[in-house]
Amino acid sequence: EDQVTQSPEALRLQEGESSSLNCSYTVSGLRGLFWYRQDPGKGPEFLFTLYSAGEEKEKERLKATLTKKESFLHITAPKPEDSATYLCAPVAGGTSYGKLTFGQGTILTVHP
Amino acid sequence: SQTIHQWPATLVQPVGSPLSLECTVEGTSNPNLYWYRQAAGRGLQLLFYSVGIGQISSEVPQNLSASRPQDRQFILSSKKLLLSDSGFYLCAWSQGGDTQYFGPGTRLTVL
Repeated sequence: EDQVTQSPEALRLQEGESSSLNCSYTVSGLRGLFWYRQDPGKGPEFLFTLYSAGEEKEKERLKATLTKKESFLHITAPKPEDSATYLCAPVAGGTSYGKLTFGQGTILTVHP
Repeated sequence: SQTIHQWPATLVQPVGSPLSLECTVEGTSNPNLYWYRQAAGRGLQLLFYSVGIGQISSEVPQNLSASRPQDRQFILSSKKLLLSDSGFYLCAWSQGGDTQYFGPGTRLTVL
């Protein structure tokens, strides 16, 4: 059975204090891994897709990396507007519809 | 560009009443469509997916059903709501098995 664990569950940072979020997964035949950002009361917003171990992608203050068992979301010099829940979701190969298995998310709070 | 709509945005329904949530996508053809539920603000659970008109697959047994009467329309229904059906319902679309893009969601409260 596919499993995804995100840690920590919650993270409080001061503005400018860099840190990383972890996503550990067990998925048969990984086809890709997605990162989403979700603000309270809204739908998840797509951030990144990673397809192979060693791949990295960046967007503003965020950088996502992928290994064979984990993905990290690095946040450099965060700002209060980066506060949100960050969700990771690996997708297994072998299907035509892309079955995402979501982690529980990490709630990030950045204080000014 | 593609846009996904969901309505209503919020809904309060009594136990035992019927339910109909609607999702439409603009700017794409033959998308894969998905219904998710998110309880307690965390953790999305896939309920249904559809790869074409009239083609519905269920991921978990439950009190809900889904239909796809048109290419870019996806409907989530129930004949009789339960308290446990409360949650945040999200519709998403993708092209094949690629990136899924989510709608704004519907907050359902069953009293």
